[in-house]
Amino acid sequence: QVHLEESGGGVVQPGRSLRVICEASGLSFSSYTMHWVRQAPGKGLEWVALVWPDANTKYYADSVRGRFTVSRDNSKNTLYLDMNNLRPEDAALYYCTRDYLTGDKREAFDLWGQGTMVTVSS
Amino acid sequence: AIQMTQSPPSLSASVGDRVTITCRASQDISDDLGWYQQKPGKAPKLLIFGASTLESGVPSRFSGGGVGTDFTLTITSLQPEDSATYYCLQDNGYPLTFGQGTKLEIK
Repeated sequence: QVHLEESGGGVVQPGRSLRVICEASGLSFSSYTMHWVRQAPGKGLEWVALVWPDANTKYYADSVRGRFTVSRDNSKNTLYLDMNNLRPEDAALYYCTRDYLTGDKREAFDLWGQGTMVTVSS
Repeated sequence: AIQMTQSPPSLSASVGDRVTITCRASQDISDDLGWYQQKPGKAPKLLIFGASTLESGVPSRFSGGGVGTDFTLTITSLQPEDSATYYCLQDNGYPLTFGQGTKLEIK
């Protein structure tokens, strides 16, 4: 059964760092571009970052570029998001999601985890 | 970044009604647009990609249209389970950007 499971969320002080993780199972993880999407409490969806299957090509939202780093370990079927210099506005539920149209010019997120909550507060 | 303006922010409709949600891009994005449905406490669900291609398993009462800057999501014969928030997402260029969402209430 295909599944994505995020973990690593928690409460962190402003300016500190946190790593959230997404573990994939039941899918050929190394074949897909993987994304992070976040949702602040009561707010809409915000795309955060992506990493291509090769693990080298990455893109970021303007709001996190330079502070967040997305990476993946295809041998462990795991996606990471390292978040540095966290701000209160980074507080959100962080979802990982798969682009099942990887290789096509379009992108479509067909598989999502349940999310992991990051709270930024002193 | 490409801005996506979604409207209306919310709407209320009855079972059996037809509703349309619109999304406008700040520049031409061809047909590089998807629609997602999100219910409270759940992850989003893919409905449509490529502006008009229905994702497998999604009921045919959902349809998408548009090209360039103006797009629509139409739900015909509204059902109680369609109560949700709907988001558009442009995938024409990075960074990807979502619309602000439309909360659909079933009367």
